[in-house]
Amino acid sequence: EDQVTQSPEALRLQEGESSSLNCSYTVSGLRGLFWYRQDPGKGPEFLFTLYSAGEEKEKERLKATLTKKESFLHITAPKPEDSATYLCAVQAGTGNQFYFGTGTSLTVIP
Amino acid sequence: GAGVSQSPRYKVTKRGQDVALRCDPISGHVSLYWYRQALGQGPEFLTYFNYEAQQDKSGLPNDRFSAERPEGSISTLTIQRTEQRDSAMYRCASSLGLGQPQHFGDGTRLSIL
Repeated sequence: EDQVTQSPEALRLQEGESSSLNCSYTVSGLRGLFWYRQDPGKGPEFLFTLYSAGEEKEKERLKATLTKKESFLHITAPKPEDSATYLCAVQAGTGNQFYFGTGTSLTVIP
Repeated sequence: GAGVSQSPRYKVTKRGQDVALRCDPISGHVSLYWYRQALGQGPEFLTYFNYEAQQDKSGLPNDRFSAERPEGSISTLTIQRTEQRDSAMYRCASSLGLGQPQHFGDGTRLSIL
């Protein structure tokens, strides 16, 4: 069965303290891995798409990387406004479904 | 605005009533998806459309749930004979095409009394 697992479930960082979030997947025929940010009461907001192992994408303090088994979302020198839940989703096989993980709730303390 | 619009934002209804949730996708987006999201969980796939064609409805929980997108734009998710277990946040997303990043609306919070 296809699975997407995110860790840790929750992460508290001091402002400026860099860290990484993990998304591991067990799917057949990965076609794309997507990272989203979700603020309370809002829908997920698209951040990045990664299609193949070795690929990297960056946006401001965020950098997403992909291997054959997992993806990391690196957060460099985070600020309080980076506090949110970060979700990853995979698209695999011949279908067009997105399978979402349960997310990592990030809190950045001033 | 230019984003995905869902209505109503909140819906409270009594058990046994039918409800219809509406999704207005981003203009030009041909693919439209419905999800259900429980608190503290990621979105769970329900169904999706490419243009007006419903191409996968494997995530619909049972036959009380149905969706349509008759003109390839606005979509309606209908739940008949609602039950308390149907209470959840229902989210719609749209994309330029299959496999493209999905852009989400802010959802409809459904509460069944």
